Amino acid sequence: ELKVEQNPLFLSMQEGKNYTIYCNYSTTSDRLYWYRQDPGKSLESLFVLLSNGAVKQEGRLMASLDTKARLSTLHITAAVHDLSATYFCAAANTGNQFYFGTGTSLTVIP
Amino acid sequence: DTGVSQNPRHKITKRGQNVTFRCDPISEHNRLYWYRQTLGQGPEFLTYFQNEAQLEKSRLLSDRFSAERPKGSFSTLEIQRTEQGDSAMYLCASSLALATEQYFGPGTRLTVT
Repeated sequence: ELKVEQNPLFLSMQEGKNYTIYCNYSTTSDRLYWYRQDPGKSLESLFVLLSNGAVKQEGRLMASLDTKARLSTLHITAAVHDLSATYFCAAANTGNQFYFGTGTSLTVIP
Repeated sequence: DTGVSQNPRHKITKRGQNVTFRCDPISEHNRLYWYRQTLGQGPEFLTYFQNEAQLEKSRLLSDRFSAERPKGSFSTLEIQRTEQGDSAMYLCASSLALATEQYFGPGTRLTVT
């Protein structure tokens, strides 16, 4: 069974600063996903990473995947308040069953 | 709106009662997944269907939990004899069989009193 760990669990950062969220997974998976969840809401897909070395960027967020290290990162550039949310990574097994991390609760302080 | 829909959005029930939730996937999606999310945790996979076939159910939390997708379209998740520990958000997602991305519905929040 895939185990997925994220860190940090909580992140408080000032507007304009940069930071990285880390996602480690325990066994082979060639697909890694990042989702955003606002309080009381469902999950919004951010990135789908399908191969080693994949890098995707959308606005102030950039995600990357290193399948050899079993590591994905979500980098936040020049944070703004609207990015405050909980971010989840998920790794998929061959049956397309997703295993989620515990999430990183991000608060961006003005 | 052609996204995944779930009903009801909220359910409050007394311990020992049975509850049933419904999920309507995106119309052309063959695969349908159920997850449970408790406060402060990531979603936890429960079961999934490809068309009407339930391909994985070993991760259902107990024999009080069951799911159906009788015609390969909508699905129901039933919890019998609810317990307070069942209080959670129940999420449904769908995908195309050979595609990779799952699209999540808004969830059903269950509170067992």
